[in-house]
Amino acid sequence: AQKVTQAQTEISVVEKEDVTLDCVYETRDTTYYLFWYKQPPSGELVFLIRRNSFDEQNEISGRYSWNFQKSTSSFNFTITASQVVDSAVYFCALSFTGNQFYFGTGTSLTVIP
Amino acid sequence: KAGVTQTPRYLIKTRGQQVTLSCSPISGHRSVSWYQQTPGQGLQFLFEYFSETQRNKGNFPGRFSGRQFSNSRSEMNVSTLELGDSALYLCASSPRGYEQYFGPGTRLTVT
Repeated sequence: AQKVTQAQTEISVVEKEDVTLDCVYETRDTTYYLFWYKQPPSGELVFLIRRNSFDEQNEISGRYSWNFQKSTSSFNFTITASQVVDSAVYFCALSFTGNQFYFGTGTSLTVIP
Repeated sequence: KAGVTQTPRYLIKTRGQQVTLSCSPISGHRSVSWYQQTPGQGLQFLFEYFSETQRNKGNFPGRFSGRQFSNSRSEMNVSTLELGDSALYLCASSPRGYEQYFGPGTRLTVT
């Protein structure tokens, strides 16, 4: 069975703090893709990153970084020096070549000024 | 390139009515997927169309249907609306089999 778990429902941090959003996935397939999306209050999901199952290299993009560990089936997302504009719901997702996506339940992040 | 567009953005319907939502994918994208997002159930996959054929289907009743046209535009129809159908309906288009770009959604309220 395919499943994505985001155990953190809501997180609040004070501006400039670092925050890590957890994502744990389940699949028996060896080829899969992991994603993070951001959903601001406007509703549109904004693509942040895609990793495939054969690439465990961590990635950094500005204040964002992602840690992919197949050994623990985790794909965690860290925001460094958080800003108010980072306030949103963040979704982790799992997909396969058949293009069916499995989304986690999302983590609502509030950055307090 | 223009992004995924969805019309209408907001809709209010009455129980028992039917509704049709429209999605125009990014130019060149042949796959269109639909999702229902509610506070209680999160993002749930409805179906995916590729080259006018339904390729994947989620676990929704037959009241939910869709289609895709030759220009890749897609429509989603919900018949006999129920209060529980109130949700944000998101459309996503894909150039390949493993990434999706989402539209702004249609917020449907059923009264």
